[in-house]
Amino acid sequence: DTEVTQTPKHLVMGMTNKKSLKCEQHMGHRAMYWYKQKAKKPPELMFVYSYEKLSINESVPSRFSPECPNSSLLNLHLHALQPEDSALYLCASSQGGTVMNTEAFFGQGTRLTVV
Amino acid sequence: GQQLNQSPQSMFIQEGEDVSMNCTSSSIFNTWLWYKQDPGEGPVLLIALYKAGELTSNGRLTAQFGITRKDSFLNISASIPSDVGIYFCAGRSTNAGKSTFGDGTTLTVKP
Repeated sequence: DTEVTQTPKHLVMGMTNKKSLKCEQHMGHRAMYWYKQKAKKPPELMFVYSYEKLSINESVPSRFSPECPNSSLLNLHLHALQPEDSALYLCASSQGGTVMNTEAFFGQGTRLTVV
Repeated sequence: GQQLNQSPQSMFIQEGEDVSMNCTSSSIFNTWLWYKQDPGEGPVLLIALYKAGELTSNGRLTAQFGITRKDSFLNISASIPSDVGIYFCAGRSTNAGKSTFGDGTTLTVKP
């Protein structure tokens, strides 16, 4: 299984809602990532988890809250978002750890619209 | 921080033509990655390069890791309509824990 699976594929939420994005991989990868991508722009890193611990937070606003319950799962909890947070949210995974040469596999993304 | 310059920004070519795009950086990278992204989908890894000077092929795609470790190029030979999409390069430094992405090259192929 060489897939990163993201759910849901599409999400529309109001500014007062609380929702969660989910990501799952079964490749034994130990690093997992959340990216945000606006149209025609490159993916923009938000968070990196390495061995289930948060290792990188790219100064993301606290209305985005990541969680890594185990080595296969990564969640992104959303609360009080703004319309400008509408974007494609991508999850990725890589071998991680001390392996220098890693690759990142991306999920299909969740298209989020904040109304 | 590290920045990548990817060029060209966009290309409009005829089916059957060859394509070349490249990325340059002011910093040294230990890994270069090339991705293709279709609309509404996540990026798909095309080629990963791990050694300076390395030349790697994947079907009609060929990528090279520049000898200075500050650049990489991707060639597509005999383009077909399904090559349409956005191509991103990404570089990784040792122990950086994350990749730096270029701004992408949008490829349009006319049948």
